[in-house]
Parts: sequence; structure tokens; C-alpha cells
Amino acid sequence: SQQGEEDPQALSIQEGENATMNCSYKTSINNLQWYRQNSGRGLVHLILIRSNEREKHSGRLRVTLDTSKKSSSLLITASRAADTASYFCATDPMDSNYQLIWGAGTKLIIKP
Amino acid sequence: KAGVTQTPRYLIKTRGQQVTLSCSPISGHRSVSWYQQTPGQGLQFLFEYFSETQRNKGNFPGRFSGRQFSNSRSEMNVSTLELGDSALYLCASSLVKGQETQYFGPGTRLLVL
Repeated sequence: SQQGEEDPQALSIQEGENATMNCSYKTSINNLQWYRQNSGRGLVHLILIRSNEREKHSGRLRVTLDTSKKSSSLLITASRAADTASYFCATDPMDSNYQLIWGAGTKLIIKP
Repeated sequence: KAGVTQTPRYLIKTRGQQVTLSCSPISGHRSVSWYQQTPGQGLQFLFEYFSETQRNKGNFPGRFSGRQFSNSRSEMNVSTLELGDSALYLCASSLVKGQETQYFGPGTRLLVL
């Protein structure tokens, strides 16, 4: 079942701008992860944020987690053409059974 | 360390045939998860293996099966292929649990004609 829902489904911005995408989920979680997928290839792990954390940074990425609203956001600052990809959130629900629950993804296009 | 490898990378089959896909996890990783991804869709969980045991299975028909070997390598099999099985099949490995950070292979793109 799909727990995470990304918003927006697609996003097109100019190079250098910031990109923000959101993920909502339904049940209590242990952690939430963001992954990137370039053009039908395998996914690459970006960042993991645990349920007791509110914000995490990695390079140009900033992830926030609001467990009261059951939502997370991924901010990419100073976007580059190479950031063009699909971004997925995945949650580890507290009642899960050895699987991550994935959203349908946000397709990000960076225009030069 | 070498990453997750999947073979073959591309495959064309006809309806009714069967197919076996292979995944070699990162050395030391004992959990292997399989996913199906169709165009524009998120990842649909197929199954997760740890120490040769299937710990969880997604909502797929019995035509989809898998196994894991003692060296943690895993295979998945799809029998009696249908057109709707055309997809990118992704394998991911993690240290112990399927809910940890997952490391993905490049995928096997299956086309069923």
C-alpha cells in the first residue's frame, strides 16, 4: 500500500532556484527517507530522518519532519541541471514488517 | 565496496514465458528487497529476504516468487508472463532490515510482448 504521497507530482523551475517538495504519510513512523531516481535508473538514497528529529541537512538538501502533521519536506537549494530527477519519500511505519512504504514521487525538472 | 548488481539489465520475453532475474547485494548486506516500477508509478513492493527467509511479501499474484541464497544473492522469478508485467524490476540491499537505508541496483527492464 502507498503510505507516502508526494506533492507536487511535477515541478519545473529555473536553474539556481530552490525546489521544495512535500511528502505526507498516514501512520506513525520510525523514520522517513528521501531517494532520487534519474531517468528510469536505480534509486539513490539522499537522507534519512528519524521520528525524533525535526530537521536534517546534507549539502544543498534540507529535510524537515513534522510528526504531528505527518508530513515532511525536501528543499534543494541553488538547483542545478543535474538535480533533474524524480524524488521519492519512503517511510518505515512503526507497525511495518520489514518493508518501506513508498510514495509515487515528484518529478523535478531544472530548466537551464 | 561494489554496489548492488542486477542481471540481466534488459530482457524481452513473450506472454506465457517465464523469467528469472538476479541480484547480488553489497558485500555484508543480508537483506534484499525487490520492487516493481511501472512508468509514472512509485515502487511496488514485491518481497524482502533475509538469511534465505522471505520475511514479507507484497500484494502480487503467486506467479511472482523469489529466493535468497546463503551468500545473500537473490533471484526473483515470474512465471506465465503477462503484458502487464512489463516494468523495471529493482533490487535493493540493506544491512539487516528492509526498513533501513536501501542501496539500489540499476534495475532490470523487462518487456513482455
